[in-house]
Amino acid sequence: DIQMTQSPSSMSVSLGDTVTITCRASQDVGIYVNWFQQKPGKSPRRMIYRATNLADGVPSRFSGSRSGSDYSLTISSLESEDVADYHCLQYDEYPPTFGGGTKLELK
Amino acid sequence: EVQLVESGGGLVQPGRSLKLSCAASGFTFSNYYMAWVRQAPTKGLEWVASITNSGGSTYYRDSVKGRFTISRDNAKSTLYLQMDSLRSEDTATYYCTRDLFDYWGQGVMVTVSS
Repeated sequence: DIQMTQSPSSMSVSLGDTVTITCRASQDVGIYVNWFQQKPGKSPRRMIYRATNLADGVPSRFSGSRSGSDYSLTISSLESEDVADYHCLQYDEYPPTFGGGTKLELK
Repeated sequence: EVQLVESGGGLVQPGRSLKLSCAASGFTFSNYYMAWVRQAPTKGLEWVASITNSGGSTYYRDSVKGRFTISRDNAKSTLYLQMDSLRSEDTATYYCTRDLFDYWGQGVMVTVSS
């Protein structure tokens, strides 16, 4: 199975920060990486699809990028509503695999 | 508006069975692969199973192969997950999702405990 190694597992942040979360794929997954936001007690919400595409309704302060086997989610000018858990997912091949998650907490 | 509504969760004893349903609306159900994803309490997300749009092919994670069965009824726009021989480690919130992982249901809790 393809491993998605996500870092950091948690991050203490301040409003207005630029935050970057990274997933490293254990083998080539091309562009087939999604990023999800999940708030407590809620379903995951797709934020980025195919590595770099902003999902419908997602604020433009969110962006996705790829460098080789490293995939990143960046949040510019963090707002309070962005404090949540974030997950990456590769769906290039079965089984689809998620990263371990990143928990953003306010300082 | 796309909607996915799961049902059928609950408390079940180890070794027993449970069947989850997911009622879909707002899109042409028969055009999409569908999937189940679960999340154990305080843990990350874990893909469980997927099914092609026709239902002709299914895919499972190793830990549920032979115990879980994903199926669908395109006439009813409904996805199912039959879970047999349940174990404590199957305790989780189960989400129904389109296989593009773009839309998710609200989730249903399954607790396996004696």
